[in-house]
Formats: sequence, C-alpha cells, structure tokens
Amino acid sequence: GAVVSQHPSRVICKSGTSVKIECRSLDFQATTMFWYRQFPKQSLMLMATSNEGSKATYEQGVEKDKFLINHASLTLSTLTVTSAHPEDSSFYICSARYGGANNEQFFGPGTRLTVL
Amino acid sequence: AQSVTQPDIHITVSEGASLELRCNYSYGATPYLFWYVQSPGQGLQLLLKYFSGDTLVQGIKGFEAEFKRSQSSFNLRKPSVHWSDAAEYFCAVGAGDDKIIFGKGTRLHILP
Repeated sequence: GAVVSQHPSRVICKSGTSVKIECRSLDFQATTMFWYRQFPKQSLMLMATSNEGSKATYEQGVEKDKFLINHASLTLSTLTVTSAHPEDSSFYICSARYGGANNEQFFGPGTRLTVL
Repeated sequence: AQSVTQPDIHITVSEGASLELRCNYSYGATPYLFWYVQSPGQGLQLLLKYFSGDTLVQGIKGFEAEFKRSQSSFNLRKPSVHWSDAAEYFCAVGAGDDKIIFGKGTRLHILP
C-alpha cells in the first residue's frame, strides 16, 4: 500500500509555544488529507479535512485559529498547534487519499505531542 | 448521525484460537464499513472494507467480516490467531462523504 509519513514522531514543548507537524504522502499524490486526534484509549476524532490548494474544513468544536492546517502541495500537509497548552497533549494522526471518497485513506504513524 | 460501537474494550484469546470482534453501527443508509488495525509505532492499516455486494468480505492477514444489515453489525473474524495479531482494532463507518467515524477500538491480547 501507499506510504504516509509524519514528522516528528514525538515532540515535547513548553506551554505557549507553537508546534508544527508534517504529513507527507511518499509515493502518491494526495488530493485530500485528514487530521485526526486520538486521546488515550479513545477513538480517532476527525479534526479537519484539507484539499490541496484550498482552505481546510474543520469539524465542529475544532478551533481553526488554534489548529492551523496548510495543504500547499499534493504530497505535504502541515498541522500547526499554536500557543499549545497541556490540554492539547494528544496523539495526532494524519491520513491521505487520492481521488474520491470511495478511495482508501492511508494513515501516517502519528505524532505524540506533550505540552508541559 | 453515524456512530460506531465496539462493545469490547479488551479481548484475550489463546494463540491458534478463533477470534470475533464485535462492531455495531448506526447509519440510516447503506454504510461504508471498515476495519483497521493499529500497532504501536505503526499507522492504521486497512484490513478490509465493505461498500456493497457480497456481505462476507475477505481482507488481509486472514481476516474476514460479515455485514448484517438486520443487526447493524460488521463483526471481524479470524479462524486462528497468531501472536502477531495482538494490536488495537478499529471498526469505522463512512457515509460516502469525506468522513470516517471510528469506534473506540478493541485491544486484542494473545496468550501463548
């Protein structure tokens, strides 16, 4: 299957700082990328959907000014957690898809964010 | 709204034994249904999916799942588990738009 990478795999930061997480599709062009958040022993919760070259669509309750998503190319999307706080500590997972909703989403390995 | 219920948080089976992981969904129309596996340090991997047609779906790694509309279920089965099957398993439902709704997962433990 197609490969999606995330960088970094783990990040620890101080409260108030901003953190950028990259999601790359390594061997295919991702027309759509998704960002999920997973709390311990919980399900993946969709945060936002981004299509290359357009603004991301955020799920209800997700602050778009706090979680900035950029999908500037067909192989790269970034999630920036601005002014991070301890409650933002979580496991962030991206997925990428080529084409329409019937096509498979390929998931990255996730990024563990810890805000001190 | 769509929802997915995985009633078992943990399941423990002996290596070589059969496995069934339960999944119930809530959705008004015919859903797209998925099973994913998540291993530590690995991304979610798609085991199988159901969009239409034959209600018994074969997936990778010897897994299968059966869509039962009358029971709103999509249970995952494997006739003989291996130690390497120990992982977190997620059932998910898609509504034909971009969204996939995940269940809370079932952690599978394998006894030697």
